[in-house]
Amino acid sequence: SAVISQKPSRDICQRGTSLTIQCQVDSQVTMMFWYRQQPGQSLTLIATANQGSEATYESGFVIDKFPISRPNLTFSTLTVSNMSPEDSSIYLCSAGGVGTSSNTGELFFGEGSRLTVL
Amino acid sequence: AQSVAQPEDQVNVAEGNPLTVKCTYSVSGNPYLFWYVQYPNRGLQFLLKYITGDNLVKGSYGFEAEFNKSQTSFHLKKPSALVSDSALYFCAVRDVRASGTYKYIFGTGTRLKVLA
Repeated sequence: SAVISQKPSRDICQRGTSLTIQCQVDSQVTMMFWYRQQPGQSLTLIATANQGSEATYESGFVIDKFPISRPNLTFSTLTVSNMSPEDSSIYLCSAGGVGTSSNTGELFFGEGSRLTVL
Repeated sequence: AQSVAQPEDQVNVAEGNPLTVKCTYSVSGNPYLFWYVQYPNRGLQFLLKYITGDNLVKGSYGFEAEFNKSQTSFHLKKPSALVSDSALYFCAVRDVRASGTYKYIFGTGTRLKVLA
């Protein structure tokens, strides 16, 4: 298994500012993903964080708005840029492929970062 | 593309009774299916998975799931529900992109409420 630490756990931000969320995994993983979730609702995949290369974004999400870094196999960041109230949500970091389970492994999740944009 | 559907927004069950949370899938090839649970203000916790092998999969906290290929279902079950099982449950499937990399797609979620 893997333990994922996310910070900040919550924040209140002003419109037009940017916030970076950090995700630290306690072991090397092959896959890292960023999801968005409205409270009590389903998860929407924002992007796959690729180690050493540009992230793979899902339809409706762009790099200028959600730049992602993944400098190594245990760490990733997601920045929410030029925030608006519509960006208020829970952002979840997840990781999979711990050790040798890269092809069949389940995902592990951080506790989430709850952003409120005023 | 792969997908999963959870037809029930909410399931209510009395404590001590068996519970079932439904999930159906649409995949090409062999499905990789998962169940997760989310408690309030927490991240998702992995419960169990089906990759191959026995159709009945056992997981954490006494949960199990039955893979049914003919009905394309992967329902989550527990013989005796606890009030502490009340949470949001997600079914998920692993999809493979054209590039060969993976992504995981989640259902809409089912809120389980166990009544004392």
